[in-house]
Amino acid sequence: GAVVSQHPSWVICKSGTSVKIECRSLDFQATTMFWYRQFPKQSLMLMATSNEGSKATYEQGVEKDKFLINHASLTLSTLTVTSAHPEDSSFYICSARVGTDSGANVLTFGAGSRLTVL
Amino acid sequence: QQQVKQSPQSLIVQKGGISIINCAYENTAFDYFPWYQQFPGKGPALLIAIRPDVSEKKEGRFTISFNKSAKQFSLHIMDSQPGDSATYFCAASRAGTGNQFYFGTGTSLTVIP
Repeated sequence: GAVVSQHPSWVICKSGTSVKIECRSLDFQATTMFWYRQFPKQSLMLMATSNEGSKATYEQGVEKDKFLINHASLTLSTLTVTSAHPEDSSFYICSARVGTDSGANVLTFGAGSRLTVL
Repeated sequence: QQQVKQSPQSLIVQKGGISIINCAYENTAFDYFPWYQQFPGKGPALLIAIRPDVSEKKEGRFTISFNKSAKQFSLHIMDSQPGDSATYFCAASRAGTGNQFYFGTGTSLTVIP
C-alpha cells in the first residue's frame, strides 16, 4: 500500500534555530500534501496544503513566514519551522491523498515528527 | 465552525464489549467518511471508510453505520480488545485530490481487561 515517510521522527532544537521536516511519498506521486499540527490529546489541526510546483495554501492563523512549506517534487514536501520557539513544540504530521481502484482518495499519514524547542 | 462533531471525548469499555463512537457533519457535499486510529506518538492510520451510498460497512470487528438523512455516522467496535485502546478520529471529505479532510476532535478509547 501507499506509504508516506516522515523524517525526522523527533527533533530537539534550541530556541531561535530552524528545523526542517521532510515528508516523502515512497511508492506514489503526490501533487498535494497536507501538513497538520497536533497538540497532546487534541485533534489534527490543518496548517497548510502543499501543492507541487506552486505556493502552499495556509489555513487562517498559520504564519506563512514561520512555517515555510516547499513541495519541489511529486514525492517530497518539506516543512521548515523558522526561528523556532518553545511554543512551536508540537507533533507535526504530513499526509497525502492516494487514489484507489474504487475511485476514492484515501488520506495516508506519515508517522509524525515530534518537535521540542528548548 | 467545526465541520465534523465527534463524541464522546473519551470512552472506557470492558474487554469483549462494544465501543461506539459517533460523528455528525454539516456539509451535505461530503462524500467520503473515514475513521482513523492513532496510537500515541504515531500518525493516524486509516481504519475503515464509507461512502454515502451505503448505510453500513463492516470490516472484521469494525463497522461504520451511516445515516445520510441525519448527517451522522458512527464507528462500532465489536468484541473490543485492549489492543484497540487508541484515539479514534472520524473525518469527512469531498472528492478531489485538492480537497481537504475535516476531522472530528477525537475519542480516546480505553479497553480494560
